[in-house]
Amino acid sequence: DGGITQSPKYLFRKEGQNVTLSCEQNLNHDAMYWYRQDPGQGLRLIYYSQIVNDFQKGDIAEGYSVSREKKESFPLTVTSAQKNPTAFYLCASSDQKEGWGGYTFGSGTRLTVV
Amino acid sequence: AQSVTQLDSQVPVFEEAPVELRCNYSSSVSVYLFWYVQYPNQGLQLLLKYLSGSTLVESINGFEAEFNKSQTSFHLRKPSVHISDTAEYFCAVRPNTGGFKTIFGAGTRLFVKA
Repeated sequence: DGGITQSPKYLFRKEGQNVTLSCEQNLNHDAMYWYRQDPGQGLRLIYYSQIVNDFQKGDIAEGYSVSREKKESFPLTVTSAQKNPTAFYLCASSDQKEGWGGYTFGSGTRLTVV
Repeated sequence: AQSVTQLDSQVPVFEEAPVELRCNYSSSVSVYLFWYVQYPNQGLQLLLKYLSGSTLVESINGFEAEFNKSQTSFHLRKPSVHISDTAEYFCAVRPNTGGFKTIFGAGTRLFVKA
C-alpha cells in the first residue's frame, strides 16, 4: 500500500544536539511538507518542497533544516538553534498535478528534549 | 492570506446525539476546504473536502459539511455520533488558484461519552 513512513516514532534529544527525522513516501507525490503540532495551536508549517532539490521556508523555519535529494525523501533536522523543540512532528505529501486532493500524512514523530 | 478559526476547542457529546463542529475562514481568493481527523498519537486523515459544485459534501462514515460562501463557513456535522468518533478534528483551507499551502485551524477535540 502507498503511504508515508515517518521514523522514529519517538525521539529524545539532549540539549545542544542535532537530530534528524525521517520521512519517506511511495505515493509519487511531488510536494512534501513538515508541520509541527503543539497542543492547542494546530499545525504550523516548518518547510515545504514542491520539487526535488528545491524547498522553501514555512512560518517557523528557524532552528530547522531540510533536504530534498530524492522525490521520495524529505528529512528534517532539528538543530541546537531550535530552543523549544519538544513537539509532535508531522510529514505530509500532496500530488501537485491534482492540486487539490488534500494531504496524506505520516503517523508522526514525537520529539522530547531531555 | 488565509486564516481559519475553529470556534470550539472542545465539544463533549453523548453517544447517538448529533454534533456540529464549527469552522469559519477568511480569504481574499477562492479556496478549497477540508476537514481532517486525528486519532491519538497518529497523523491526520482526510475526512472530506469541498472543491466545487454541490456545497454539501459527505464522508463515508456519516459526517457531512456544508460550504456557505456568504458566511465563509464550513461546519462539520454528524446526526448520530459513536464512541469511535472521539478524536481531534481540523478544518483547513487552501487557495484554488496557484497556491498550494494549506492553512489549518487550531483543532476541535470531540469527546463522545457513553
